[in-house]
Amino acid sequence: ETGVTQTPRHLVMGMTNKKSLKCEQHLGHNAMYWYKQSAKKPLELMFVYNFKEQTENNSVPSRFSPECPNSSHLFLHLHTLQPEDSALYLCASSQDPVSPRGPSGEQYFGPGTRLTVT
Amino acid sequence: ILNVEQSPQSLHVQEGDSTNFTCSFPSSNFYALHWYRWETAKSPEALFVMTLNGDEKKKGRISATLNTKEGYSYLYIKGSQPEDSATYLCAFGDYKLSFGAGTTVTVRA
Repeated sequence: ETGVTQTPRHLVMGMTNKKSLKCEQHLGHNAMYWYKQSAKKPLELMFVYNFKEQTENNSVPSRFSPECPNSSHLFLHLHTLQPEDSALYLCASSQDPVSPRGPSGEQYFGPGTRLTVT
Repeated sequence: ILNVEQSPQSLHVQEGDSTNFTCSFPSSNFYALHWYRWETAKSPEALFVMTLNGDEKKKGRISATLNTKEGYSYLYIKGSQPEDSATYLCAFGDYKLSFGAGTTVTVRA
């Protein structure tokens, strides 16, 4: 058990649906991350939140909308997705405050949400 | 996006044998190099975070070395066991990590 939970674990949605992915960390960390892994591709950073403030948006399309109401919870709101958005979405957290030009500590990952867009 | 490459993509090891594989990353503007183990249907788990050139870290039968000047890191598994079967990811960067595609290790009993 990693201390980072994600729900749901599997999600099938149509292109016109609106859904949300939820991530919760029980580790008291300050930073939270969304990653995407498409088939046969490396993990790709999407968003970074540091003390509830978004510090990074890695050129992610606006159909993905993150929300971080507090340091323990992170959401990814999905709307009008495309079939090519089907992927594994992973959440992670880390203790260290996020700062440019500074190394971060190890990240703790959730199990991911397997998303299929039909 | 920083180019992080891992080789080989996959390897098969007989139980009891030792193995190693490589992560290559840009040698300029080094911050940190992370190694993660990702077992099927589980969460990626941190193995090491390495920040200093020449750094060597060890956790049980797994160890890693780091050469920041030439831009590579090796991960070693000594006396492989079936439970070592997993995909091993390396990641490079500050807080914005760029991940390699991973090396998938299968240990045959």
